[in-house]
Amino acid sequence: KQEVTQIPAALSVPEGENLVLNCSFTDSAIYNLQWFRQDPGKGLTSLLLIQSSQREQTSGRLNASLDKSSGRSTLYIAASQPGDSATYLCAARTFNQGGKLIFGQGTELSVKP
Amino acid sequence: SAVISQKPSRDICQRGTSLTIQCQVDSQVTMMFWYRQQPGQSLTLIATANQGSEATYESGFVIDKFPISRPNLTFSTLTVSNMSPEDSSIYLCSVGTSGTQEQYFGPGTRLTVT
Repeated sequence: KQEVTQIPAALSVPEGENLVLNCSFTDSAIYNLQWFRQDPGKGLTSLLLIQSSQREQTSGRLNASLDKSSGRSTLYIAASQPGDSATYLCAARTFNQGGKLIFGQGTELSVKP
Repeated sequence: SAVISQKPSRDICQRGTSLTIQCQVDSQVTMMFWYRQQPGQSLTLIATANQGSEATYESGFVIDKFPISRPNLTFSTLTVSNMSPEDSSIYLCSVGTSGTQEQYFGPGTRLTVT
């Protein structure tokens, strides 16, 4: 059964810093991996989708990588801003669980001005 | 991408009552999903709702407690029945796109049961 883990659970950085959020998964048989942002009490905003055949995807200051062999994905945020403060969730769409999205617990990011 | 709206955005309900949450999508989609996010937790899939067929429920969720309707390709409802304080959560509607299989989420319904 797929398990998705995100480390750290919480992270506080000063504005302007580059940072990396980590996501690991136990079952490498995935269709894709998706990163989301969630503001407090709100829904999820899709940030990046990486297909299983891809190594990375970029959108603006965000770059997500995928290494299926090691069961890892990272989300890199460049030049962080206070507006980046939110919870970041990764989710793996897994073959062996009917193609369902399996979510990690999230990393709560706080960017201090 | 898909734009998803949910009603209500939040509600406070009394124990033993029921609440129906509506989900509207701006385009026709085959796959719709309902998730629950309990306080401080990640998302848990309640059921998958495909138009023209019965919803498929995940382990731990039953139709009597969470009946779902899917009358067409742009709309679905989730009812939380006979509510208890343990049902206090954010309920999220989601749709999947064919092709890339990217998944999009609505803004959520924050439910508090007193």
